[in-house]
Amino acid sequence: NAGVTQTPKFQVLKTGQSMTLQCAQDMNHNSMYWYRQDPGMGLRLIYYSASEGTTDKGEVPNGYNVSRLNKREFSLRLESAAPSQTSVYFCASSEEGQVSLGTEAFFGQGTRLTVV
Amino acid sequence: QKEVEQNSGPLSVPEGAIASLNCTYSDRGSQSFFWYRQYSGKSPELIMSIYSNGDKEDGRFTAQLNKASQYVSLLIRDSQPSDSATYLCAVTGIWNTGKLIFGQGTTLQVKP
Repeated sequence: NAGVTQTPKFQVLKTGQSMTLQCAQDMNHNSMYWYRQDPGMGLRLIYYSASEGTTDKGEVPNGYNVSRLNKREFSLRLESAAPSQTSVYFCASSEEGQVSLGTEAFFGQGTRLTVV
Repeated sequence: QKEVEQNSGPLSVPEGAIASLNCTYSDRGSQSFFWYRQYSGKSPELIMSIYSNGDKEDGRFTAQLNKASQYVSLLIRDSQPSDSATYLCAVTGIWNTGKLIFGQGTTLQVKP
């Protein structure tokens, strides 16, 4: 049982280059998320998808685009990378719960991205 | 104002002591509250969830929720060096739309 799988684990980009971070989950979860984590900043939500076919902006969406390709896959694209996007990126998924009943979010291993 | 706030620490406690971690949130409609633990270089993992006012205990961990004060805390009894990690508070809204918001995390150091 793989859980949440992110690729790649490490990436170095030059300013202005583009790339797509891939995420797939095998738990049949409806909700998927992309976060970035910078020192002292915790996890900041970039985009999330409550179900297949829907995406919404989180706290820090500028400079990113997402695609919920199907129920399993949720990708994050940097169209023109900037040094400020150097960070650790985490993908996560969770079941869609009932009102007042949240459910556990499961995280991928993270992608360490450096933009030079 | 950030939606979920934590003191970034570090919080240093001696082995065997009680560690108290605190979190406040701004959205009164928040319904579900979580504590995640993250070791350096690793992914976050869930340790506690709480949905109703009051206390919830699980082994050495107790989560406390006060919705009127918009406050959630985590107590770790008999702290061990292996508890040294960053603890992240997370909150999701009333409609559970998938918008799971994290605080900045509190670093806990348990000294032998």
